[in-house]
Amino acid sequence: QKEVEQNSGPLSVPEGAIASLNCTYSDRGSQSFFWYRQYSGKSPELIMSIYSNGDKEDGRFTAQLNKASQYVSLLIRDSQPSDSATYLCAVVFSGGYNKLIFGAGTRLAVHP
Amino acid sequence: DVKVTQSSRYLVKRTGEKVFLECVQDMDHENMFWYRQDPGLGLRLIYFSYDVKMKEKGDIPEGYSVSREKKERFSLILESASTNQTSMYLCASRMGNVLYGYTFGSGTRLTVV
Repeated sequence: QKEVEQNSGPLSVPEGAIASLNCTYSDRGSQSFFWYRQYSGKSPELIMSIYSNGDKEDGRFTAQLNKASQYVSLLIRDSQPSDSATYLCAVVFSGGYNKLIFGAGTRLAVHP
Repeated sequence: DVKVTQSSRYLVKRTGEKVFLECVQDMDHENMFWYRQDPGLGLRLIYFSYDVKMKEKGDIPEGYSVSREKKERFSLILESASTNQTSMYLCASRMGNVLYGYTFGSGTRLTVV
């Protein structure tokens, strides 16, 4: 069974803090990992991709990947109320047309 | 930027109607996908297509069909709409390379009454 697991939240953080969002996946052969942000009533928007172990930084966002532990995370530094959204983790599983498998998402609430 | 356009933002249809949801992408992407999203159930894959005239069933294809006659257009068809097909429908596309994520359209919120 191909699975991507996320804590549904809500994760509540104060403005200016670091928000840490976590995701685990079941396929050890997975090679491509993505984070999407989805505002209420809107469609998902790709914000980060990562393929190699370690950290990848883009502005206030850092994606972290640990393939041995089958774990990928997203850190949001200096969180803003505008970051309040649902964050979806997505993984390309090996085989099977290389479809993206999405987690159910973690709801983040940043309060002033 | 890649643009994925879904023809309707909101749609209300009657039970038993045949419903067409249209999706067009403008970047020559090989792969296209249809999802539905419901509260508490996340994104569920209905059908996908890896090239023109090719289609594959996703996780929940029952009650749906698709058509891809041209590379840029991927249509989702509800053969006989039912109230349990009330949902947000999302179309996505991707270049034919696993290093790329999907680009989603803005979604169609379908209500079947």
